[in-house]
Amino acid sequence: DTEVTQTPKHLVMGMTNKKSLKCEQHMGHRAMYWYKQKAKKPPELMFVYSYEKLSINESVPSRFSPECPNSSLLNLHLHALQPEDSALYLCASSQRPSSYEQYFGPGTRLTVT
Amino acid sequence: GESVGLHLPTLSVQEGDNSIINCAYSNSASDYFIWYKQESGKGPQFIIDIRSNMDKRQGQRVTVLLNKTVKHLSLQIAATQPGDSAVYFCVESHTGNQFYFGTGTSLTVIP
Repeated sequence: DTEVTQTPKHLVMGMTNKKSLKCEQHMGHRAMYWYKQKAKKPPELMFVYSYEKLSINESVPSRFSPECPNSSLLNLHLHALQPEDSALYLCASSQRPSSYEQYFGPGTRLTVT
Repeated sequence: GESVGLHLPTLSVQEGDNSIINCAYSNSASDYFIWYKQESGKGPQFIIDIRSNMDKRQGQRVTVLLNKTVKHLSLQIAATQPGDSAVYFCVESHTGNQFYFGTGTSLTVIP
């Protein structure tokens, strides 16, 4: 299984809602990543988890809260988002934290109303 | 973040021709470069990578060239096919901890 899955595919939420994005991989990878991608822009790194521990937070606002319950699962909890947070949220994994080849999921298209 | 830019935002090629996608980077300390392909509605897909101690690497129908003197990277696609139509990103990395995507080039293959 060389796939990274993400749910849901689409999400519409109000600014007062709380929602979560889920990412899963069963390749035994020990590094997982969250990226944000705005339309016609490159992905921007948000968080990196290495061996289930948060290793990099690229100065992301606290309304985004990542969680790595186990080595296969990565969540992104969302609370009090702004319309400008609307974007495609991509999850990726790599074999080890120092591995350069990342496997990306298809993303969750998030719309904040 | 680091500056990783592309010379051409869009590129159109005839099917069967060769494609060349260029990328400029600014961090001379970057030690690894990767090319990703992103098709519409999908996440990026790894194509090929190159370490900074190399100047050329070949894969299946793709070649990456690295010129550290001018901080330039290129991706060459041989015999371009309609399935190659996508946005291509060059990515630079330093020590494998952080990854900076370039602005992307949209490749359109004309049948």
